[in-house]
Amino acid sequence: AQSVTQLDSHVSVSEGTPVLLRCNYSSSYSPSLFWYVQHPNKGLQLLLKYTSAATLVKGINGFEAEFKKSETSFHLTKPSAHMSDAAEYFCVVGRWSGGSYIPTFGRGTSLIVHP
Amino acid sequence: DTEVTQTPKHLVMGMTNKKSLKCEQHMGHRAMYWYKQKAKKPPELMFVYSYEKLSINESVPSRFSPECPNSSLLNLHLHALQPEDSALYLCASSQGRGDSNEKLFFGSGTQLSVL
Repeated sequence: AQSVTQLDSHVSVSEGTPVLLRCNYSSSYSPSLFWYVQHPNKGLQLLLKYTSAATLVKGINGFEAEFKKSETSFHLTKPSAHMSDAAEYFCVVGRWSGGSYIPTFGRGTSLIVHP
Repeated sequence: DTEVTQTPKHLVMGMTNKKSLKCEQHMGHRAMYWYKQKAKKPPELMFVYSYEKLSINESVPSRFSPECPNSSLLNLHLHALQPEDSALYLCASSQGRGDSNEKLFFGSGTQLSVL
């Protein structure tokens, strides 16, 4: 079985300071991992995806994530937070089952950015 | 065109009403999904269609009835809903061709209120 655990339900940072959103995964083989962002009352937007081609994955809006197999982690980072980054962030692991692709979502981390 | 379009954006219905949610994509994707999302929670998978056939039904009550008339359209028919069914309903699509590059594209959702 595959799953992801987002370690923090809320993360609070000041504008201009670094962001770290933590995600650990559980998978019996090379996982398919994603980070999605959801702004209030909106759909989900793909930030980045781990494809096994590179352990450091660059995404949109200055976000990146590093895949660490030894730590079973896929943490999301950004060097400098912006007010517009305030949103809900979901770590997701995907798997194929019976011909269908099934994403499994973490519980989400709410990023709060203070001026 | 990388959009998934959902209509309506907002819907208020009584418990005896019949209504439908609509979802459309023109990316040539062959997998389409319905998710239900309550406030401050991750999306919960309801249904998956693969090549216009229902492949996954996550034990959803029969008052929710999905339909995939063609590869670009996905409907969710609603009948005799309960107030606890009030939520954001998200549609998503993916290539659905079985390769490692699979990723989901989400619509903005329909905010449903059942009175």
